[in-house]
Amino acid sequence: DAMVIQNPRYQVTQFGKPVTLSCSQTLNHNVMYWYQQKSSQAPKLLFHYYDKDFNNEADTPDNFQSRRPNTSFCFLDIRSPGLGDAAMYLCATSRDPGETQYFGPGTRLLVL
Amino acid sequence: GENVEQHPSTLSVQEGDSAVIKCTYSDSASNYFPWYKQELGKRPQLIIDIRSNVGEKKDQRIAVTLNKTAKHFSLHITETQPEDSAVYFCAASDGRGGADGLTFGKGTHLIIQP
Repeated sequence: DAMVIQNPRYQVTQFGKPVTLSCSQTLNHNVMYWYQQKSSQAPKLLFHYYDKDFNNEADTPDNFQSRRPNTSFCFLDIRSPGLGDAAMYLCATSRDPGETQYFGPGTRLLVL
Repeated sequence: GENVEQHPSTLSVQEGDSAVIKCTYSDSASNYFPWYKQELGKRPQLIIDIRSNVGEKKDQRIAVTLNKTAKHFSLHITETQPEDSAVYFCAASDGRGGADGLTFGKGTHLIIQP
């Protein structure tokens, strides 16, 4: 079942200290997404990659960046985490745009 | 952008009864509507989806209906079981050309009373 893998599952960082979350997939899907899910809220799309094309949501803070060095991996970089960035970060993939999205187990980020 | 409204926020039903969750969306260009089930601390799991060229889809105890004119879609669960207890999210594709991220409703906490 490990088709979308996220590491680490839990990440603790300090206020203002850069942190990177990783996602990998064995599905060879073309699209990879990052969602932020705060406690008792719905997932919120931050950005996605369609192959190498990056698509940023208009309201995603500049503090959040992403990299996709190859088809299998995608990274979420938070340059200066604030207390409000504590959340579950979910990676998802789909074969092509508009197709079913499969979620990874998520990384729970705690900011101290 | 797309806006998805979901009701109710909490739904409690007796085991064996049916549950219905309703969503509306704002962007008439949206064409893909999945439903996800999320148990506490776990990832969202797709349970059923529907596209705008179909009005209804069924998979065993779960069905989804779509009214494109009214821009609303609903999840129906029949013969509910304790393991159906979870948070359910509806979602809609963004619909913008080349962009297909999902916009989620706020979720419904479904509680199955034994």
